[in-house]
Amino acid sequence: DAGVIQSPRHEVTEMGQEVTLRCKPISGHDYLFWYRQTMMRGLELLIYFNNNVPIDDSGMPEDRFSAKMPNASFSTLKIQPSEPRDSAVYFCASSFEGAGALGYTFGSGTRLTVV
Amino acid sequence: QKEVEQDPGPLSVPEGAIVSLNCTYSNSAFQYFMWYRQYSRKGPELLMYTYSSGNKEDGRFTAQVDKSSKYISLFIRDSQPSDSATYLCAMSAGGSYIPTFGRGTSLIVHP
Repeated sequence: DAGVIQSPRHEVTEMGQEVTLRCKPISGHDYLFWYRQTMMRGLELLIYFNNNVPIDDSGMPEDRFSAKMPNASFSTLKIQPSEPRDSAVYFCASSFEGAGALGYTFGSGTRLTVV
Repeated sequence: QKEVEQDPGPLSVPEGAIVSLNCTYSNSAFQYFMWYRQYSRKGPELLMYTYSSGNKEDGRFTAQVDKSSKYISLFIRDSQPSDSATYLCAMSAGGSYIPTFGRGTSLIVHP
């Protein structure tokens, strides 16, 4: 398996533009997580899905952020409109039932810069 | 006070040194204690974990948990330049799926 695949690896965009980050989880994993990492705040959980259903989105900072998982092999995180304070590295991770926190596999992340 | 506290460093040591990385926590319900390693431009990956208290050893790495003090440690013996990375502690309560991460400590091992 190729692991968790994220695209793009880097994204530079202007303030106010829409940004879409993509994630392909490991086949067979039924949990998918979106995290944001910054120097100041570390790794923050934004939202997670179980069997394609959003379970907890309390970490989504505001209505400008939205996430979808239309099927078991694809998820998107969208920011509209983007702001400079959204600049961070966004990680997707997947895991499987029964593994708990020990089953996480992270992607390599998308480095977002909003200018 | 955050649930998990971790000094971000950076911690710079010479090759061959013994490294000690630490986290403190406030939630008594935490049962699983994990250490992730994150290389530059990569996602975190699980290095090792401990359930409840005690020590666990894996090669040059030793994880320790002291639940009475709410303090966990990761020791690296004979550190190598390839150990240079950010080390994140993470913890989760029994029955709770989502781990709480520390901010990570940046480690630099110079030749």
